[in-house]
Amino acid sequence: SQQGEEDPQALSIQEGENATMNCSYKTSINNLQWYRQNSGRGLVHLILIRSNEREKHSGRLRVTLDTSKKSSSLLITASRAADTASYFCATAGTQGGSEKLVFGKGMKLTVNP
Amino acid sequence: DTAVSQTPKYLVTQMGNDKSIKCEQNLGHDTMYWYKQDSKKFLKIMFSYNNKELIINETVPNRFSPKSPDKAHLNLHINSLELGDSAVYFCASSQNRGRNTIYFGEGSWLTVV
Repeated sequence: SQQGEEDPQALSIQEGENATMNCSYKTSINNLQWYRQNSGRGLVHLILIRSNEREKHSGRLRVTLDTSKKSSSLLITASRAADTASYFCATAGTQGGSEKLVFGKGMKLTVNP
Repeated sequence: DTAVSQTPKYLVTQMGNDKSIKCEQNLGHDTMYWYKQDSKKFLKIMFSYNNKELIINETVPNRFSPKSPDKAHLNLHINSLELGDSAVYFCASSQNRGRNTIYFGEGSWLTVV
């Protein structure tokens, strides 16, 4: 299965600290995406990193991708209480000429004020 | 303006009923999806349509029938609802058969009693 798996499954930190979430997957991918889901809401796309990229930044987010280890990490710097949410990695691979996005089980981040 | 909108947001219905969830996207995307999120927050793709053509059809009971009247709409009809169908159903869309960011709706919370 190409399903990503986040690690840790739950993380609780203080406001201002950095949060690092890891994602591992099993098969080759075209890209890897990170999403955030607030409680009772839909998924919000955070960042997409393609298989030929190693690192990407977006504001306080930094994503790395190591295709040799089949792993990715999402770093949120200077966390805020509003960052409290579930975070999902999703791997995109090709099936029948189309991208199929397969999600991991998600990781619950709690940022305490 | 809502990019991917789905209705209804909440739906409570009895076992055996037939219900539909509607989805519309105004992003001009050519590909639309239905995902199911279970009680453990696990997200799994159900269907994908590209320009009204079914391109991904995961192992889903044939009680679930997607219909795409045009590339901006993808509706999900569920026959003979069962207790296990209770979940959150997310509609999503993307451009170029999913090779780019996939945008999600806010979800439809289905409870079968």
